[in-house]
Amino acid sequence: AQSVTQPDIHITVSEGASLELRCNYSYGATPYLFWYVQSPGQGLQLLLKYFSGDTLVQGIKGFEAEFKRSQSSFNLRKPSVHWSDAAEYFCALNTGFQKLVFGTGTRLLVSP
Amino acid sequence: EADIYQTPRYLVIGTGKKITLECSQTMGHDKMYWYQQDPGMELHLIHYSYGVNSTEKGDLSSESTVSRIRTEHFPLTLESARPSHTSQYLCAISTGGGGYTFGSGTRLTVV
Repeated sequence: AQSVTQPDIHITVSEGASLELRCNYSYGATPYLFWYVQSPGQGLQLLLKYFSGDTLVQGIKGFEAEFKRSQSSFNLRKPSVHWSDAAEYFCALNTGFQKLVFGTGTRLLVSP
Repeated sequence: EADIYQTPRYLVIGTGKKITLECSQTMGHDKMYWYQQDPGMELHLIHYSYGVNSTEKGDLSSESTVSRIRTEHFPLTLESARPSHTSQYLCAISTGGGGYTFGSGTRLTVV
């Protein structure tokens, strides 16, 4: 069965430092992969998505993610974190049956 | 960008009350979903619909029910609320390409 794993429950990064959030998936073929961000008390906003083609995808707010088939990973990165990036981040997978499977989320804290 | 609306944003209600959480969208998308989000953040699919008169249960068993009489509306009902139903409920639509657009959510507290 398909699944998504986000191994880090919490991550703290200093403002201005680089960020990498990990995401691993389990699926027999190439999935559609997504990263969402959720600010406190809000719904989820799509940051970026991967379907096929270039394995490095650019998203909104300066985020990017790289799909690595050999590692079954889709890690999210940002070169310089801003205090406003503090939020929960969810990785998700769609196997083509129109149902998203989410990871458990990673809470990003940004220190001054 | 598709618009999706959820009301109310916050609801505090007593045990045993019947409640309906509203979800509506303006763009006529067929596929709609309800997720329950625990305080620890994890999202669980509880209901989905692929069109009018189509409803299915999701991966997480829920005592709630849904209906899809009109394309625009996908309400979720709890006939008798209990403290165990306290959670955030997120509605979403599939906007094509496998991704979803989410509403702002309803945070339900049953006391």
